[in-house]
Amino acid sequence: DIQMTQSPSTLSASVGDRVTITCRASQSISSWLAWYQQKPGKAPNLLIYKASSLQSGVPSRFSGSGSGTEFTLTISSLQPDDFATYYCQQYTTYRTFGQGTKVEIK
Amino acid sequence: QITLKESGPALVKPTQTLTLTCTFSGFSLSTSGVGVEWIRQPPGKALEWLALIYWDDDKRYSLSLKSRLTITKDTSVSQVVLRMTNMDPVDTATYYCAHKGARGVADYWGQGTLVTVSS
Repeated sequence: DIQMTQSPSTLSASVGDRVTITCRASQSISSWLAWYQQKPGKAPNLLIYKASSLQSGVPSRFSGSGSGTEFTLTISSLQPDDFATYYCQQYTTYRTFGQGTKVEIK
Repeated sequence: QITLKESGPALVKPTQTLTLTCTFSGFSLSTSGVGVEWIRQPPGKALEWLALIYWDDDKRYSLSLKSRLTITKDTSVSQVVLRMTNMDPVDTATYYCAHKGARGVADYWGQGTLVTVSS
């Protein structure tokens, strides 16, 4: 199994901050990495696929980068609607999620 | 417009088999490249991927749960069924089904269904 490790587990930030979340894979996954946003009581929402491709309808303040084993999700200017939990997921032959990063209000 | 909805029992007893149905619309599971996945989330915990079935009936299972899972499809009624045997209280979770499209990832999700395992 490919293990996915996200950091930090919790992040306190203010509206307007630049926020970066890191995801590391236990072995190379090329660019087969997605990012999801989840709000309490709701299903996850796809933000980024193939490491850096923005899903249709997702604001451009969200961006992804990386390849191989190290990936980042960046929110360029945090908005009130962005306080949520974020998950990375590798989607090679099988799929694995990271443990999540909760972005909370500072 | 792609939609998916999970259905099944809200409560199962330990050792029982859970059967969940995902009923979808807006796409066909006969179309090349399309799949349906199952993912679960215990209360307050992270997402866990379970299984995936492709348009050509190829199947993938979580390696840690493979012996307990079976995923099948019925294209004629736009449904995918997940069976999980030998349920335990640790399997208490919200279970989601999701559409896998050409991008390779789960891009449309159902609302989820909470399954509690308790005697």
